[in-house]
Amino acid sequence: KNEVEQSPQNLTAQEGEFITINCSYSVGISALHWLQQHPGGGIVSLFMLSSGKKKHGRLIATINIQEKHSSLHITASHPRDSAVYICAVRLGNDMRFGAGTRLTVKP
Amino acid sequence: NAGVMQNPRHLVRRRGQEARLRCSPMKGHSHVYWYRQLPEEGLKFMVYLQKENIIDESGMPKERFSAEFPKEGPSILRIQQVVRGDSAAYFCASSPTDTYYEQYFGPGTRLTVT
Repeated sequence: KNEVEQSPQNLTAQEGEFITINCSYSVGISALHWLQQHPGGGIVSLFMLSSGKKKHGRLIATINIQEKHSSLHITASHPRDSAVYICAVRLGNDMRFGAGTRLTVKP
Repeated sequence: NAGVMQNPRHLVRRRGQEARLRCSPMKGHSHVYWYRQLPEEGLKFMVYLQKENIIDESGMPKERFSAEFPKEGPSILRIQQVVRGDSAAYFCASSPTDTYYEQYFGPGTRLTVT
């Protein structure tokens, strides 16, 4: 079993839909990151969380430390949100990555 | 403030050659991390460096791979005697101080071994 599990693996949505991507982890962590990787391959760090909730524009990230679970929400999705979203957990110096969720938003 | 810079963006090497990948962290950042993304696989941690120090290299293959972050200049990931299995995207990230800060990723170097 992977230490970081993401669901779903693939997600197709219509423009304007509300999107949720889930991340569960099985180890004690110091922080959790949500990353976005575009088709060109570049990686952007969206959020770093250790508790609670963060919001940036149309993106919201939450984490429940007791349940070892985090969610990334996208409101009013847009085709430019199409990317792979990766959950990563910090274990000291190390970072363990989920396999990613491939999101496609259709116009 | 320029972001994390990596060069080259694409590198082609023949089997047995050496590959040198460079990473310039964001201004003011003294911590650098290298990650590898093999084709169709997720990202994997390789090494964490501070200026002139390797802090954690637990993710580095034991042979042929080395990393440095000198007092002056970029961090270098060096792969000697490359093999086809080294073909991957190599990303570096930097953070301002310690591991509890957000990491900023570079655009990656895509290494192809022919």
